[in-house]
Amino acid sequence: AQSVAQPEDQVNVAEGNPLTVKCTYSVSGNPYLFWYVQYPNRGLQFLLKYITGDNLVKGSYGFEAEFNKSQTSFHLKKPSALVSDSALYFCAVSPGGGGYNKLIFGAGTRLAVHP
Amino acid sequence: NAGVTQTPKFQVLKTGQSMTLQCAQDMNHNSMYWYRQDPGMGLRLIYYSASEGTTDKGEVPNGYNVSRLNKREFSLRLESAAPSQTSVYFCASSEGRGRNQPQHFGDGTRLSIL
Repeated sequence: AQSVAQPEDQVNVAEGNPLTVKCTYSVSGNPYLFWYVQYPNRGLQFLLKYITGDNLVKGSYGFEAEFNKSQTSFHLKKPSALVSDSALYFCAVSPGGGGYNKLIFGAGTRLAVHP
Repeated sequence: NAGVTQTPKFQVLKTGQSMTLQCAQDMNHNSMYWYRQDPGMGLRLIYYSASEGTTDKGEVPNGYNVSRLNKREFSLRLESAAPSQTSVYFCASSEGRGRNQPQHFGDGTRLSIL
């Protein structure tokens, strides 16, 4: 079965420290990978995506993510966390095949950045 | 820019009642989607419309119907609401059916079935 795992329900980081939110996947074909962020009572907002090419992709608000094919991972990173980064983060994968823009979502990781 | 607009934002229903959730996008996108979000489960696709005039089932379609009214609007109907359908419902759109295209989400409808 195709799936996306976000192994941590919550990540706690002090403001100014680097942060990592983990994501691993198990899908068929060449995956397209996405990160979304959700603030309270809002919809998901697109952060970044990996389609092909450089394994390190940069996105909105200073976030970046590293694609690792051998480890089937796509971890989200930021060099210096801000309190305003506190939110719910979702990793999503579009597997190969299929006739539409299919996304499989992880369960989400809550990021808490403390002052 | 409005993006994806969902109405209503909140609703409480009694078991057995029917309801239609509305969604409209102003980005001239071709593809639209309905998801439900439940705690600890991420988002699950209920129905999608790859283009105007077409609709197809997603992962969890039972108990729901959809209508792609025109290119802008995609509604979700609960014919006979059940407590298991208590959830937050999100509508999304993308420019097309290509896998590389991000989906754009509305702010959700919080639905409680008593």
